[in-house]
This record gives sequence, structure tokens and C-alpha cells, in this order.
Amino acid sequence: AQSVTQLDSHVSVSEGTPVLLRCNYSSSYSPSLFWYVQHPNKGLQLLLKYTSAATLVKGINGFEAEFKKSETSFHLTKPSAHMSDAAEYFCVVSEGGSARQLTFGSGTQLTVLP
Amino acid sequence: NAGVTQTPKFQVLKTGQSMTLQCAQDMNHNSMYWYRQDPGMGLRLIYYSASEGTTDKGEVPNGYNVSRLNKREFSLRLESAAPSQTSVYFCASSENRGERETQYFGPGTRLLVL
Repeated sequence: AQSVTQLDSHVSVSEGTPVLLRCNYSSSYSPSLFWYVQHPNKGLQLLLKYTSAATLVKGINGFEAEFKKSETSFHLTKPSAHMSDAAEYFCVVSEGGSARQLTFGSGTQLTVLP
Repeated sequence: NAGVTQTPKFQVLKTGQSMTLQCAQDMNHNSMYWYRQDPGMGLRLIYYSASEGTTDKGEVPNGYNVSRLNKREFSLRLESAAPSQTSVYFCASSENRGERETQYFGPGTRLLVL
């Protein structure tokens, strides 16, 4: 069985400072991992995905995530936060890579302070 | 290229009323999905359709029915709405490329059942 835990329900950073959103996963198989972003009253947009190629994955808008198998983590980072990054972020795991078997984390709300 | 579209954007129902949520995609994807999003719970899969003419239950199918009308359209029906079905509903689609599928989401339908 697979599961995903987003360790922080809310994260607040100042504009221009680094962002770290934490995600741990559990999977019996080689997982696919995704980060999605959801802006207020909008649908989910794919930020990046890991599919067993490079462990450091670069996504859109300057975000990246590193797959660490030994720590079962897939934390999302960005060197410098922008006001437009304020949104909710979801970490998602899929065993075997099938989209029918996605498990979503409960989300992390990112606030960016001026 | 509109991606995944959903109608309506908002809906208020009384308990016991019925309604159909519409979803369409123009990316020629085989697979389509319906999720519901509730606070603190991420997204949960209601139904999915791997191809035209096929549908399967997800994690929370009770109280819902679906129709895969053609390759583009996948509708979700509430026959007798209940307050517990107050939620935000997202439709998604994905390509079948074996493993490592990626889902694309619509903007959501916000449903309130009184």
C-alpha cells in the first residue's frame, strides 16, 4: 500500500527567501512522485514529476524536488519565493506509475509575506 | 487547446435533488477521472474511465454514477444529493503510456448541498 504525508499543513515565508515544502512517502514498489500546485479557485497544475530518472527534478517556476529513497522523501524547494507562489501544494505518489493509483497528500498552504 | 473543461463552476442543490457535472478534454486522452476535494484530505478518486465505454469505481463511489459518453466527455451524476456531497469536484485526464502517466486537471466545480 502507498501513502504520502505532507509534514506541514501551513508554511509561511518572506518574499525572496527560500521555500521548503516537505513530503514523505511510503510505497511497496518503485513509485512515481508528483508535486501539484493549486491557486485559489483554480484546478491543479503539475509542477514536476519524478519517474526514476534523475533524482533531482526541475519543474516550472523555479521549483525543484529531490527524490531520496533512503529517507523516503520528496521535498519541494525554491531558492527565492515570489508573491505569486502563494498557493496550496500537493505531493502525490503513484505505485507503478499508474494514474489510477494516485494517492494525494493533504496539502501544504504556502503563504508569502511581503 | 482548452485542456480539461468543467461545467458548471458553481452549483447549489437541495438535499434529494439530482444533477450532472460535465467534463470534456481536447487532448485526445484515453483516461479520465473524477475526484472530490475536501479540506485536509487531498483529492479522493470517485470514478475513472480507462477508455471510451469503460468505467470503474475509485475510492469513494457511493452516491455517484458516471458516463463516458465518448472519448472527450466524462460526466458525473448525483442522483439524490446529500449534504455530505458538498465538495469541490475535479475532472482530470491522462494519456495511457503504460507507466508514468501524468494527469491534467480541470478548474473544478464547487458544489454546495443544503
